[in-house]
Amino acid sequence: SYVLTQPPSVSVAPGQTARITCGGNNIGSKSVHWYQQKPGQAPVLVVYDDSDRPSGIPERFSGSNSGNTATLTISRVEAGDEADYYCQVWDSSSDHQVFGGGTKLTVL
Amino acid sequence: EVQLVESGGGLVQPGRSLRLSCAASGFTFDDYAMHWVRQAPGKGLEWVSGISWNSGSIGYADSVKGRFTISRDNAKNSLYLQMNSLRAEDTALYYCAKAAELGYSNYPDYWGQGTLVTVSS
Repeated sequence: SYVLTQPPSVSVAPGQTARITCGGNNIGSKSVHWYQQKPGQAPVLVVYDDSDRPSGIPERFSGSNSGNTATLTISRVEAGDEADYYCQVWDSSSDHQVFGGGTKLTVL
Repeated sequence: EVQLVESGGGLVQPGRSLRLSCAASGFTFDDYAMHWVRQAPGKGLEWVSGISWNSGSIGYADSVKGRFTISRDNAKNSLYLQMNSLRAEDTALYYCAKAAELGYSNYPDYWGQGTLVTVSS
């Protein structure tokens, strides 16, 4: 089955840029979606189809996808961005939705 | 406003059954596929099952195939998950999620708050 690999944690100072990666075999050929989950809350979609933002999501959130790595970039990081972030794709080989293991973003 | 409200969770003994429900509102339910996604305590997200808008296409994670059954009632704007032969490793918060389009190959775009299932003797 298809595997998505994320770093367990990323730390960044307020105002700086956070980059969270999601690795997968030829992931650039798939559409990648990203979710933010704050403690005790349900996940929220922050980027879909590699780089599109749902309405209400700040422009500070952006995404890219090429080769074997997709990246969620959060610019001008704020304390309120501290959360777990998950990448997700559709694996057509298995007809399964697949999630990465998640990355905990810490704002220093 | 999209609203998804799960119910039916609780404490159940290993080997027993439980049925989860999800009441949907704020969108045209039969225009979208639906998913169940779970999260074990302190762990990440795991897709459990998906169902297309008309129930014509259904999929399950390998970990639940043969034990869980997803269904929907478009007349009642409701999604269900029948869980049989429950195991300790099924303990998790179960989320109902709306898909972005008709087929369950589409990503979840809205999530409920979840219902907790605890499997323990």
